[in-house]
Amino acid sequence: GQNIDQPTEMTATEGAIVQINCTYQTSGFNGLFWYQQHAGEAPTFLSYNVLDGLEEKGRFSSFLSRSKGYSYLLLKELQMKDSASYLCVGGYQKVTFGTGTKLQVIP
Amino acid sequence: GAVVSQHPSRVICKSGTSVKIECRSLDFQATTMFWYRQFPKQSLMLMATSNEGSKATYEQGVEKDKFLINHASLTLSTLTVTSAHPEDSSFYICSAGDREGMPYEQYFGPGTRLTVT
Repeated sequence: GQNIDQPTEMTATEGAIVQINCTYQTSGFNGLFWYQQHAGEAPTFLSYNVLDGLEEKGRFSSFLSRSKGYSYLLLKELQMKDSASYLCVGGYQKVTFGTGTKLQVIP
Repeated sequence: GAVVSQHPSRVICKSGTSVKIECRSLDFQATTMFWYRQFPKQSLMLMATSNEGSKATYEQGVEKDKFLINHASLTLSTLTVTSAHPEDSSFYICSAGDREGMPYEQYFGPGTRLTVT
């Protein structure tokens, strides 16, 4: 299988920076997606990495290291609305979702 | 950006009845559509992949005779839950891709919450 591992829960303070890590099996890997999912809603696309390095999009950045099978999502200047689950998704022959990291942003 | 709609957003049905959920790509042609199911506090689980004009490919453990998928056009796929039971109560989400082959971004519909009483 293509195990996707990420922490179950994280808590961070409004205005701070938080890093959500994800590890994945490298066999058959084609790229890595990050999605945001608010409770009771469908996921929304945040980022896609296929090459090593950092991709920055406003307050959100995503990093990939293919040799290490490692990615992280970096959220800066946290806002209360960033409280959500963040899904690390592996692009294999079949898209494989991680279980998600539930992020709680506190005042 | 690409928009995918789902209808209905919520449905309550009695045990033994069938429910149809529609998934539409509003501003692009979806060569491939995916159907997911998500139980509370769990990740999305892929149920099946459908390509326009061909039979859906079901994931292991998903009963194709119970979850009927039709992808009749490049903008519409339907999932019919037949003879629904309370254990089928879940959040059903469709997504669509605008090109074939991996990898590609998926555009998700807003989801349909099914409750079977």
